Amino acid sequence: KAGVTQTPRYLIKTRGQQVTLSCSPISGHRSVSWYQQTPGQGLQFLFEYFSETQRNKGNFPGRFSGRQFSNSRSEMNVSTLELGDSALYLCASSSTPGTGPNEQFFGPGTRLTVL
Amino acid sequence: AQSVTQLGSHVSVSEGALVLLRCNYSSSVPPYLFWYVQYPNQGLQLLLKYTTGATLVKGINGFEAEFKKSETSFHLTKPSAHMSDAAEYFCAVSSAQAGTALIFGKGTTLSVSS
Repeated sequence: KAGVTQTPRYLIKTRGQQVTLSCSPISGHRSVSWYQQTPGQGLQFLFEYFSETQRNKGNFPGRFSGRQFSNSRSEMNVSTLELGDSALYLCASSSTPGTGPNEQFFGPGTRLTVL
Repeated sequence: AQSVTQLGSHVSVSEGALVLLRCNYSSSVPPYLFWYVQYPNQGLQLLLKYTTGATLVKGINGFEAEFKKSETSFHLTKPSAHMSDAAEYFCAVSSAQAGTALIFGKGTTLSVSS
């Protein structure tokens, strides 16, 4: 069974631009969660989608948005990029909602660098 | 609100020594507790989890953790460290009752020397 895939793996953008990251969950998984990982703040929850509906949202500005498609693939978008958005963005999928006891399977991440 | 505190951002042990990584949590409702490991340039991999039932949880690669409600702790241990255990370890909490997704600690980097 293929794992969680994220594309692209690396991105370089400049301030003010926008970016879209993609995540394909494990086949059959309906929950996709996004996390931002930085050296200073650690791992922070961005949002979770389950069956195309946003179920949960972390404490991030509205510049961060996401969506989930009918095939459970998810995208997250960051508009008006700031230097502080440089981070590793991790996607995780699960067969049940992310608030539950089941394991979340993580992808390798997308490394975003904002210049 | 839920939170996780990992004591010690860096832990160094010798190969063959006991590994102890500390995690304390805060939760007003019964928590689910997890330990994840991250190797360089990779995503996170689940080591073990506590949901309900037995408080001593065994995971992969010889790791185990004990849920102690009275101490609000979920420390990770391994009797004998291997060089391949060098990585960053994250403790996390979630709760269906609180409706919260995974909340991670700051992580502990484990170094293993020969």
